Amino acid sequence: NAGVMQNPRHLVRRRGQEARLRCSPMKGHSHVYWYRQLPEEGLKFMVYLQKENIIDESGMPKERFSAEFPKEGPSILRIQQVVRGDSAAYFCASSPRLYGYTFGSGTRLTVV
Amino acid sequence: DQQVKQNSPSLSVQEGRISILNCDYTNSMFDYFLWYKKYPAEGPTFLISISSIKDKNEDGRFTVFLNKSAKHLSLHIVPSQPGDSAVYFCAASEDGGTSYGKLTFGQGTILTVHP
Repeated sequence: NAGVMQNPRHLVRRRGQEARLRCSPMKGHSHVYWYRQLPEEGLKFMVYLQKENIIDESGMPKERFSAEFPKEGPSILRIQQVVRGDSAAYFCASSPRLYGYTFGSGTRLTVV
Repeated sequence: DQQVKQNSPSLSVQEGRISILNCDYTNSMFDYFLWYKKYPAEGPTFLISISSIKDKNEDGRFTVFLNKSAKHLSLHIVPSQPGDSAVYFCAASEDGGTSYGKLTFGQGTILTVHP
């Protein structure tokens, strides 16, 4: 049973481009969480999704950021028109229930 | 507003001795606390947790203590091993029925265990 798979591991985007981060949860896990870690900081909650539903997006910036977890396929975190301040490590976690998280290895986004 | 704080950015310990990592929180609604360990270029891995109805939870070399009145928790690692060298994050959650398992993390403490 593979762990939580995130790809790409590293992503470089120029300012103004779009970034798409993918997360495949563990088999049987229906809860997906996205967290962001800025340099020298802890992880900050962004969004919680279940299949086809956004349950809590209280940590998502109001503009440019969106997330989905379709019925088929991975969860996607999309950042439009990236800026340098978006450079961070983005971690996805999945769970079969509340708590019991398993984190992926993260996607390191660098905006140049 | 940093609701979970780890005031020590780093800690250095000799192999075989005790490591004590500290965490303070301000939100009195937090009722479930977790510790995660993170190696470079990897995601955090769960270590140990404690519910607010307890004041201690032990798992092998790891023990977490919770002092609700002081809004303080600590992680004890005994004995410390070089493989324990990593970043340790404290995390907290409010009532699971309403928070959906959303975690608030501290900034992390870098633990270095010297042989």
